[in-house]
Amino acid sequence: KNEVEQSPQNLTAQEGEFITINCSYSVGISALHWLQQHPGGGIVSLFMLSSGKKKHGRLIATINIQEKHSSLHITASHPRDSAVYICAVGGTSGSRLTFGEGTQLTVNP
Amino acid sequence: DAGITQSPRHKVTETGTPVTLRCHQTENHRYMYWYRQDPGHGLRLIHYSYGVKDTDKGEVSDGYSVSRSKTEDFLLTLESATSSQTSVYFCAISVTGAGNTIYFGEGSWLTVV
Repeated sequence: KNEVEQSPQNLTAQEGEFITINCSYSVGISALHWLQQHPGGGIVSLFMLSSGKKKHGRLIATINIQEKHSSLHITASHPRDSAVYICAVGGTSGSRLTFGEGTQLTVNP
Repeated sequence: DAGITQSPRHKVTETGTPVTLRCHQTENHRYMYWYRQDPGHGLRLIHYSYGVKDTDKGEVSDGYSVSRSKTEDFLLTLESATSSQTSVYFCAISVTGAGNTIYFGEGSWLTVV
């Protein structure tokens, strides 16, 4: 079992829909990161969380430390949100990150 | 993008040849990382560095070496490239490790034929 599990692996939505991507992890962490990777490869950091909730525009990220679970929500989804969304966790013992395999999101017009 | 550049961006090389990928940053960040990304595996850590001449192995370090003689440059070397090292390689930097925002380079596509 991977230390970081994302679900779903693939997600197709219609423009305007509310989207949720989930991330579960099995190790103690100091921080959890949500990343976005567009076709062509560039990876951008969306959020870094250690507790609670963060919001940026239409994106919301939450984390429940006790349940070792985080969610990334996209409100009013748009085709430009189509990308791979990656969850990564940083352990308490050092500076290394462990990554999930990513969720491929496709938003159709 | 935190001033990260990777070179080369694309390379095709023959099996058995040495290859060096360069990661250059302009903001003197301490932590630098090399990852590879393959279908079905996500990003996997090859090597990382805490500072000049201070490096350590990641989970997939076999066949790779690194050097960091200056804060701004982190070099990844494939001593003798194999087809299994065909991949996309990403350099990343962080101010203080996993507890802070991480920034990625644009990636280097390597094909070993």
